[in-house]
Amino acid sequence: VQLVQSGAEVKKAGESLKISCKGSGYTFTTNYWIAWVRQMPGKGLEWMGIIYPGDSDTRYSPSFQGQVTISADTSTTTAYLQWSSLKVSDTATYYCARSAHIPTAFDIWGQGTMVTVSS
Amino acid sequence: QSVLTQPPSVSGAPGQRVTISCTGSSSNIGGGYDVHWYQKLPGTAPRLLIDGKNSRPSGVPDRFSGSKSGASASLAITGLQAEDEADYYCHSFDSSLSGVVFGGGTKLTVL
Repeated sequence: VQLVQSGAEVKKAGESLKISCKGSGYTFTTNYWIAWVRQMPGKGLEWMGIIYPGDSDTRYSPSFQGQVTISADTSTTTAYLQWSSLKVSDTATYYCARSAHIPTAFDIWGQGTMVTVSS
Repeated sequence: QSVLTQPPSVSGAPGQRVTISCTGSSSNIGGGYDVHWYQKLPGTAPRLLIDGKNSRPSGVPDRFSGSKSGASASLAITGLQAEDEADYYCHSFDSSLSGVVFGGGTKLTVL
């Protein structure tokens, strides 16, 4: 069972970006949610939102609603996090993580994707 | 300002016992939602240590344990080892925010 994330990205402010998280070793479409978690440099973990790939039910943290879009493609067992217009303040490492239900523990984590946004 | 409050740092000597607190409110821990704990080493992904049912995933030593009382929870680490030096985060659900919340994290230093 693993979540494998896409590689590091270096972008400029205003550009768009979509990073990915591919699940394997378990049934991606049912029984589990995929969350995205941000860690800015030197800071703690922040929950951004979560998606149930089976029906694309998606919930966002109020802090990230409207700032990012979470999606999933069941045919490729991949979840995505995307920005339409990056800001310098989006510079962070982004993790995907799996949970059985929204309130339950994140038992499997991706390795993280470092996103660097310059002006 | 995190919804769940953790001490910024704790420390202990090898072999000692340390605890890390996680204080919430009636809309999260106090409302009966489970608290989960993670260990994070620099440059690596967080690792689940203890879930809300106080279960440890395979490979997590029984030196780690969790407890909860009212609107607070604690992670206890006994027989402290140098390899335990890391950041620790608590996690729960908040009904007011309708979403997941993390504590601000606690840096454990092994003296």
